[in-house]
Order: sequence, then C-alpha cells, then structure tokens
Amino acid sequence: DTEVTQTPKHLVMGMTNKKSLKCEQHMGHRAMYWYKQKAKKPPELMFVYSYEKLSINESVPSRFSPECPNSSLLNLHLHALQPEDSALYLCASRGNSYNEQFFGPGTRLTVL
Amino acid sequence: AQTVTQSQPEMSVQEAETVTLSCTYDTSESNYYLFWYKQPPSRQMILVIRQEAYKQQNATENRFSVNFQKAAKSFSLKISDSQLGDTAMYFCAFMKYNNNDMRFGAGTRLTVKP
Repeated sequence: DTEVTQTPKHLVMGMTNKKSLKCEQHMGHRAMYWYKQKAKKPPELMFVYSYEKLSINESVPSRFSPECPNSSLLNLHLHALQPEDSALYLCASRGNSYNEQFFGPGTRLTVL
Repeated sequence: AQTVTQSQPEMSVQEAETVTLSCTYDTSESNYYLFWYKQPPSRQMILVIRQEAYKQQNATENRFSVNFQKAAKSFSLKISDSQLGDTAMYFCAFMKYNNNDMRFGAGTRLTVKP
C-alpha cells in the first residue's frame, strides 16, 4: 500500500462548528505532516509528527489542533474557524529512505 | 534560511515538444534533497523526481529529467515528449538532510497544448 488517504474529501462548516480531518498511511513512515494550501500557492507547513514528536509552525492559530493516535494515523481537529481558513488541507508522510513526501488527495474545506 | 525560487509563473508547450522549468535555491548546507512535484487540476501532489545533492549524476524518470548544478544552486526539470496529462502546477522543493521542513517554490503552471 503506497497511498496516503484523507477523509473527508470536502467539508463545509460554520464558524461555530467542531470537525476533524483524518489522514492514514500504511507505508511504515514515521513522519506525517499537515499542510494548508491556498489556490495557486505552494503548501504551507502547519504541523509535523516525527516519531510521535510534534513540531508546530508557530504562525498556525490554536483553532487548529493536531493529534497522532499512532504512527499510521493523523487527525486535525478544527474549532471556531474563520472564513480565511477555507483552503485545501493536505496530509503527507515522509519516506524512510529518501525523505520524499507522499501526499494525500486533500480535504477541500469551506468555512461559512 | 533556505529559499526556493521558480521564476516562471506560467509556461506552455505544444504536445510532443520539450519544455524546461527552472528552479534555483539558496542554502549553506552541503547535504540536502531536491524534488519536483506535480499537482494537476485534480489537486493531488505527485512526486515527479528526486535528486540527492551528493550525487553528481542527474536523476531521470522516463520522460522527466533534471539538470542539477550544485555550484550554481540550480535544479531545472526537463519534460520530453510533452503529453496533455502533463498539464499541472509544478513545484520545486528543497529539504535539508534529516530534517522535517520541506521548502517549496511558488510553482510554475504548465499548460500542454494539443
């Protein structure tokens, strides 16, 4: 299995909602990432879990909260988001040999 | 800090022709990786090709090849025999050895015309 899967594919939420994005990989990779991508822009790193240790991009607001239940799963909990948080959210895992990142298909998030 | 520059926001090429996308980067590191990623309109980022900085030989993957010039800090992507399915946004990316932080360029939007 050489895939990174993400659910849901699309999500529409209000500013008072709480929702979660999910990411899964079964390649035995020990680092997983969350990125935010606006249209026609490169991905911006939000969080990294590497060997279960979390690294945070300090510019990411606290309304985004990552969770790594195990080395194959990565969640992103969303709460009290703003319309400017609407974007494509990409999950990736990092290969163990050459450091390349394998990306999931993304979740298209719209905040109303 | 490492920066990655893609100076061509948009490019187009006729089907079956060859096109080269440019990328330069700035680093003081000697060990690092360089990547080209493709993101079609369907949005999934796909790894096109990878180059380890310690390798002098340019990487190739079928119709895709790179021209890696370490001293000049240049990493261009050549696409031969362009196909309609090559239409996508292409991102150049840099990662230090044993580091979690991948730096992306701004991207080049490539359109292959029939």
